[in-house]
Amino acid sequence: SQQGEEDPQALSIQEGENATMNCSYKTSINNLQWYRQNSGRGLVHLILIRSNEREKHSGRLRVTLDTSKKSSSLLITASRAADTASYFCATDANSGNTPLVFGKGTRLSVIA
Amino acid sequence: NAGVMQNPRHLVRRRGQEARLRCSPMKGHSHVYWYRQLPEEGLKFMVYLQKENIIDESGMPKERFSAEFPKEGPSILRIQQVVRGDSAAYFCASSPRTGNTGELFFGEGSRLTVL
Repeated sequence: SQQGEEDPQALSIQEGENATMNCSYKTSINNLQWYRQNSGRGLVHLILIRSNEREKHSGRLRVTLDTSKKSSSLLITASRAADTASYFCATDANSGNTPLVFGKGTRLSVIA
Repeated sequence: NAGVMQNPRHLVRRRGQEARLRCSPMKGHSHVYWYRQLPEEGLKFMVYLQKENIIDESGMPKERFSAEFPKEGPSILRIQQVVRGDSAAYFCASSPRTGNTGELFFGEGSRLTVL
């Protein structure tokens, strides 16, 4: 079963607005990552946040992690039409050499 | 620096045929992962390989699917006797480090259509 579940499944906003996507997971983790996928393309890594971190920034991206609630959020500020894509969270189980497990993603549409 | 290279990008097979998907990891990366993505779905882990070794194949169907990463050459995901349900995008990712402590670098995927 999926480890991470993103919410909402789809999000449509106007250019310039902020977009917030959430991810919940089930087991303890070492780190949580967010990836972006443009239609028909491969995934591109956006940001990684470790389990001992609470917030991280990268350009217009802000990621938070709440390990007590087993949840993370990705905020994209001042969105642009080029931000239109699917966004996935990925987690690694905090036990052994397990692969990244991806959620089903949030499809973001930014309307110009 | 070339990224992860996958080919073919698109593959059409009839039921019962074989599909072979190839993946060349980024230079210097010795860890390869294969994921499958159905339309409007997330990625499902299939198999994790290092050179000449299968480390974790817990996500791979027991029959018809196999993967290898030989000492020389690309990693191969092989699907024998394909069925319509195998139609999906298959993504390869590589990393330089053991397991999951860092980011994965993905290829553009191979899209398999089974007629």
